[in-house]
Amino acid sequence: DGGITQSPKYLFRKEGQNVTLSCEQNLNHDAMYWYRQDPGQGLRLIYYSQIVNDFQKGDIAEGYSVSREKKESFPLTVTSAQKNPTAFYLCASIGGGMFSNTEAFFGQGTRLTVV
Amino acid sequence: AQSVTQPDIHITVSEGASLELRCNYSYGATPYLFWYVQSPGQGLQLLLKYFSGDTLVQGIKGFEAEFKRSQSSFNLRKPSVHWSDAAEYFCAVGSSGNTGKLIFGQGTTLQVKP
Repeated sequence: DGGITQSPKYLFRKEGQNVTLSCEQNLNHDAMYWYRQDPGQGLRLIYYSQIVNDFQKGDIAEGYSVSREKKESFPLTVTSAQKNPTAFYLCASIGGGMFSNTEAFFGQGTRLTVV
Repeated sequence: AQSVTQPDIHITVSEGASLELRCNYSYGATPYLFWYVQSPGQGLQLLLKYFSGDTLVQGIKGFEAEFKRSQSSFNLRKPSVHWSDAAEYFCAVGSSGNTGKLIFGQGTTLQVKP
């Protein structure tokens, strides 16, 4: 079945560590997105990529980095510069090069906790 | 600036009662509007979307929403709520520029009483 797979489901990070969240899709979608979810704040965009080897900052990119070397994969690294990384992270993708009559498909999320 | 407001953080309804979740948006042009539902610890599932045409849109699980341009609203409704509808609901608007970015409201948590 086509879909978006995020791993791991739960991730624990020590202070000062970098961690990488995986997002893989087999929907053949061009565009991929990373959102952060905090209670009472909805979802906020971290980074997005509309094509391989290109990505753009979202509203809260500080302390995060991404890469888009393959169409299917869009990993997110939470660096030590991110001061408050504990959150639920959601990856999404949209089919087609233009945003028209399509909706975003979401993965099941990764819950990151700083210990 | 584009924004989405869901005025109700938490709503409790009895099973079998009707439901309306409010959503107001701020957007300069004709918006792309979405309602998503999220069960605890899960991703988001699309309930319905509005791009153009008929302002009353039907979605999955018996939900519908009405786009009212004059009120900048896109309220979600269901005639009879089931216990399985308990979840968090997000309204979103597609950002301008054909980037596919979504701007989300803060979410409304729905509790269903037996």
